Amino acid sequence: GDSVTQMEGPVTLSEEAFLTINCTYTATGYPSLFWYVQYPGEGLQLLLKATKADDKGSNKGFEATYRKETTSFHLEKGSVQVSDSAVYFCALNLLSGSARQLTFGSGTQLTVLP
Amino acid sequence: DGGITQSPKYLFRKEGQNVTLSCEQNLNHDAMYWYRQDPGQGLRLIYYSQIVNDFQKGDIAEGYSVSREKKESFPLTVTSAQKNPTAFYLCASSSSTGLPSGANVLTFGAGSRLTVL
Repeated sequence: GDSVTQMEGPVTLSEEAFLTINCTYTATGYPSLFWYVQYPGEGLQLLLKATKADDKGSNKGFEATYRKETTSFHLEKGSVQVSDSAVYFCALNLLSGSARQLTFGSGTQLTVLP
Repeated sequence: DGGITQSPKYLFRKEGQNVTLSCEQNLNHDAMYWYRQDPGQGLRLIYYSQIVNDFQKGDIAEGYSVSREKKESFPLTVTSAQKNPTAFYLCASSSSTGLPSGANVLTFGAGSRLTVL
C-alpha cells in the first residue's frame, strides 16, 4: 500500500541553521505531495504542496521538490527561526482520490534554539 | 473568518462513557474528516463524509460513530467500545473530493484532546 517515511526526530537546531527533513514515499500512480505543519496545541496547516514531478513547492522560506526518480519530497529551509519550532508532516494523495487516500508520515519534531 | 471549530478543546471521560466531539465548519466544504493523532505517530483516518447524510469508515473506525445531518457539522462519538480512546482528535474539511489535480488540500481544526480517567 501507499506509505510515507519521514526522518525520525526530534531535530534540534540553532537559529539561522540550515534545515532538511527527509521524506520518501511509496505509491502506485502519481501522487500529489504535501508538507503540513503543526504548532504546539494546534491543528495542522498546509505548508506547501507539489502535484507533479519536478514541481517545487515553497512557502515562508521552506521549499520541497517533487523527485520522482528518488520518490522523495525533502523539506528544506536555509535559515530557521525559533518560530519554526513545530511538528512537520509529509503526506501524499493520489490523482483519483479523495482524502481517503491522504496518507501521512509519522511527523518530525523540530526545535529551534535561540 | 472562515474555518473549522472543534469543541471542547479538552475533555475527560470515565471508562464506559460515550462522549461526542463537535466539529463545525463555515467554509462551505463538501467533505469532512476525523483523524486520530497519537504521540510519535502520523494521523490515522477514523471516518470521512463526502456529502450530507453519507459517510464512510476510515482505517480505525471501530469504537467510533459519526453523523452528517448538515453540511457544516460532522460530530464524532467515541463509544465505550473504543478500547484506547485517549488521544488528540482532529477534524478537517476540503472543498472537493475529486479535483482533477488530485491536490486535495485539507483545512484542519485546532483539535480536541480526550483523556480517559
